[in-house]
Amino acid sequence: QKEVEQDPGPLSVPEGAIVSLNCTYSNSAFQYFMWYRQYSRKGPELLMYTYSSGNKEDGRFTAQVDKSSKYISLFIRDSQPSDSATYLCATLPGGNSGGSNYKLTFGKGTLLTVNP
Amino acid sequence: DAGVIQSPRHEVTEMGQEVTLRCKPISGHNSLFWYRQTMMRGLELLIYFNNNVPIDDSGMPEDRFSAKMPNASFSTLKIQPSEPRDSAVYFCASRLTGIGTNEKLFFGSGTQLSVL
Repeated sequence: QKEVEQDPGPLSVPEGAIVSLNCTYSNSAFQYFMWYRQYSRKGPELLMYTYSSGNKEDGRFTAQVDKSSKYISLFIRDSQPSDSATYLCATLPGGNSGGSNYKLTFGKGTLLTVNP
Repeated sequence: DAGVIQSPRHEVTEMGQEVTLRCKPISGHNSLFWYRQTMMRGLELLIYFNNNVPIDDSGMPEDRFSAKMPNASFSTLKIQPSEPRDSAVYFCASRLTGIGTNEKLFFGSGTQLSVL
């Protein structure tokens, strides 16, 4: 089992829809949870991050972590065509995790298209 | 700041040739990462430098791959000899290592490598 699993999609939605993107992970040492957005022919860029469980909201975006079920979610409200991109979840161990707390583990990404 | 700068953006070469990819990290960042991205495997960490010192090269596929960071503002990834299976997008990323910044990786735009 890969450490971070993510449905690759593709996911196609109409403009204005609520989008739900999800990942599961297997390593209990993961404490930091990130979502990166990657536009076509560009490098990934950090969209949001959370520490441990709970929700974090930033405008139309909400990141949610459920550590009990090892489940990571990103919700996009009122989706726009400009949100069309690949979304990658990523995790990072916390504290002194055997010295590996530099190592982000990425999901493969979900390709999202928002149609006008 | 111009962000992480990678060159070339595209590289097409023939099997057996040497390929050198270049990266200039963000000024002040003390960690540098080389990743490879393919559809099949997603983002794979190849090597991680901290303060110009290679810390983890366990992701380097084989001896054909080598990476150097002679100073804080420059790194190279070399493939010699190149093979068709090396075709991928290679990303360089940098960050400032520390609590509250470990999750914030800044990626370059990548080098699209095609080995014929």
